[in-house]
Amino acid sequence: DAGVIQSPRHEVTEMGQEVTLRCKPISGHDYLFWYRQTMMRGLELLIYFNNNVPIDDSGMPEDRFSAKMPNASFSTLKIQPSEPRDSAVYFCASSLGGAANEKLFFGSGTQLSVL
Amino acid sequence: GENVEQHPSTLSVQEGDSAVIKCTYSDSASNYFPWYKQELGKGPQLIIDIRSNVGEKKDQRIAVTLNKTAKHFSLHITETQPEDSAVYFCAASRTGTASKLTFGTGTRLQVTL
Repeated sequence: DAGVIQSPRHEVTEMGQEVTLRCKPISGHDYLFWYRQTMMRGLELLIYFNNNVPIDDSGMPEDRFSAKMPNASFSTLKIQPSEPRDSAVYFCASSLGGAANEKLFFGSGTQLSVL
Repeated sequence: GENVEQHPSTLSVQEGDSAVIKCTYSDSASNYFPWYKQELGKGPQLIIDIRSNVGEKKDQRIAVTLNKTAKHFSLHITETQPEDSAVYFCAASRTGTASKLTFGTGTRLQVTL
């Protein structure tokens, strides 16, 4: 398996623009997570899905952020409109889930810069 | 909610020496404690984990210890090598799964020749 695949690797956009980050989890994994990493706040969980259903979105910072998982092999994180403080590395991760399958597999991340 | 503190933020050791990274957690109900390693330009990767019913776990040059009473756990790397250079994150969860992990702020480990 190629692992968790994220695109794009780098995104530079201007304030106010819409940004869409994409993720393909490992095949067969039931859980998908979106994390944000910044120097100030470290790794923060934004939202996670189980079997394509959003379970906990309490980490989503504002209504400008939204995430979808239309099927088991694809998820998006959208920011509209984007702001400079959204600049961060966004990671997608997946796992098999369940008490015996806690290992998170992270993608390589999307480096987002909002000017 | 859970709060995880990690120290030190940076650590430099000579090749062959040992490295120790320490974390404390606030939620006494936390029962799962993984450690992740993040290399430059990559996502974090799980290297070892421990559950609250175990005091110590070892995997080759890496070991983790847990003190539930004091609510702290530590990562020990022996015989460090240059490829150990990375950022290490501790995390804690009360669910026993990865679904609600709270991460520490990370330790940048530099192994010098």
